[in-house]
Amino acid sequence: GPKVLQIPSHQIIDMGQMVTLNCDPVSNHLYFYWYKQILGQQMEFLVNFYNGKVMEKSKLFKDQFSVERPDGSYFTLKIQPTALEDSAVYFCASSTSRDWGGENTLYFGAGTRLSVL
Amino acid sequence: AQKVTQTQTSISVVEKTTVTMDCVYETRDSSYFLFWYKQTASGEIVFLIRQDSYKKENATVGHYSLNFQKPKSSIGLIITATQIEDSAVYFCAMREGNVGDNSKLIWGLGTSLVVNP
Repeated sequence: GPKVLQIPSHQIIDMGQMVTLNCDPVSNHLYFYWYKQILGQQMEFLVNFYNGKVMEKSKLFKDQFSVERPDGSYFTLKIQPTALEDSAVYFCASSTSRDWGGENTLYFGAGTRLSVL
Repeated sequence: AQKVTQTQTSISVVEKTTVTMDCVYETRDSSYFLFWYKQTASGEIVFLIRQDSYKKENATVGHYSLNFQKPKSSIGLIITATQIEDSAVYFCAMREGNVGDNSKLIWGLGTSLVVNP
């Protein structure tokens, strides 16, 4: 089936540095999402993005976070500067519409494990 | 507050048997959508099945089916004729509200299923 690719699978970075997580969504998808999963905790919604704009974000989406998808390339999550509590697995997802389920499915990547030291 | 609870952290079964995974949810919305996803060993998260709150009939897809008990706010996942490759972590998730109003998923902690020969 369609695949969402996340690059890299694991990123190790020193606290205070900038990091960019890359997501290659399914080619005809228009809606993009980031979720965060801290080890042992529930996966939590961060942000969704459509038509070049953030549509909705949670309180976890701090001011240090930003998302973009310049010219149909990767959908990126940038954290600048990083903090220790940003260590987590970040999942990217995409869909063709806001009504996902059944034929309009929300497709997820395999996640990027971010370790902030 | 919205909440999804999966009380079973791990289940072990013998292949070809039937397994049921529990999930209860909390919501104040009259309209909501319930999902089950599977996370494979590679980390990929795959959509399995969905139940819309207004539908009385339990959803069925392949060897997955749901036991939707609305008065109990419960949405159990039933896997019949389990196979070794069904071994994975299964997540229950909920989305509230009408399409387009709210795009975030609320996730459970997941249930690890091990299918033994």
